[in-house]
Amino acid sequence: DSGVTQTPKHLITATGQRVTLRCSPRSGDLSVYWYQQSLDQGLQFLIQYYNGEERAKGNILERFSAQQFPDLHSELNLSSLELGDSALYFCASSVAKEGQGVYEQFFGPGTRLTVL
Amino acid sequence: LAKTTQPISMDSYEGQEVNITCSHNNIATNDYITWYQQFPSQGPRFIIQGYKTKVTNEVASLFIPADRKSSTLSLPRVSLSDTAVYYCPGGFKTIFGAGTRLFVKA
Repeated sequence: DSGVTQTPKHLITATGQRVTLRCSPRSGDLSVYWYQQSLDQGLQFLIQYYNGEERAKGNILERFSAQQFPDLHSELNLSSLELGDSALYFCASSVAKEGQGVYEQFFGPGTRLTVL
Repeated sequence: LAKTTQPISMDSYEGQEVNITCSHNNIATNDYITWYQQFPSQGPRFIIQGYKTKVTNEVASLFIPADRKSSTLSLPRVSLSDTAVYYCPGGFKTIFGAGTRLFVKA
């Protein structure tokens, strides 16, 4: 158990809908990362937050957005869903602080999204 | 964003030593080099981390040259259960690439 929790574990929805994925980082971790992994693909970095602020952006679609709240949990919002958005979505957290050097990420179990 | 380059896939046989090399052309001065292992439908998990020279733990060794532009993960005597994808992301604003898919055959 990494200490990172993600809800829900599974989500089935229809095209055009909007969903919210939730992540609670390990206690004390200020950084949260979101990744998308389609079937048999590598991890696609979406976005990173550090202590409530966006720090890095990857290949995140405009239909997707995220935020990190004062209690450090994070939500990933996916809207106007398409069939191709079906994937595993991972959240990871890290105690990392820029310039500190050590950036081990702890991954949650993932949310499997199926868009029908 | 710190981006790394590594082979897409590798094959090996049980009992062999496997070396996977990653290039870290954009690594920052303070950044450690970290390797992860991922099994299907699971999140990646940490294997090993280092800054310079050689680091060894119970599962792997990590070799990092003086210029830190690359690193090599060494898995001694692999078994079928080492079949997985291996990633070497880099830095604070880190991204995971496609990883190296290692397939160990009997």
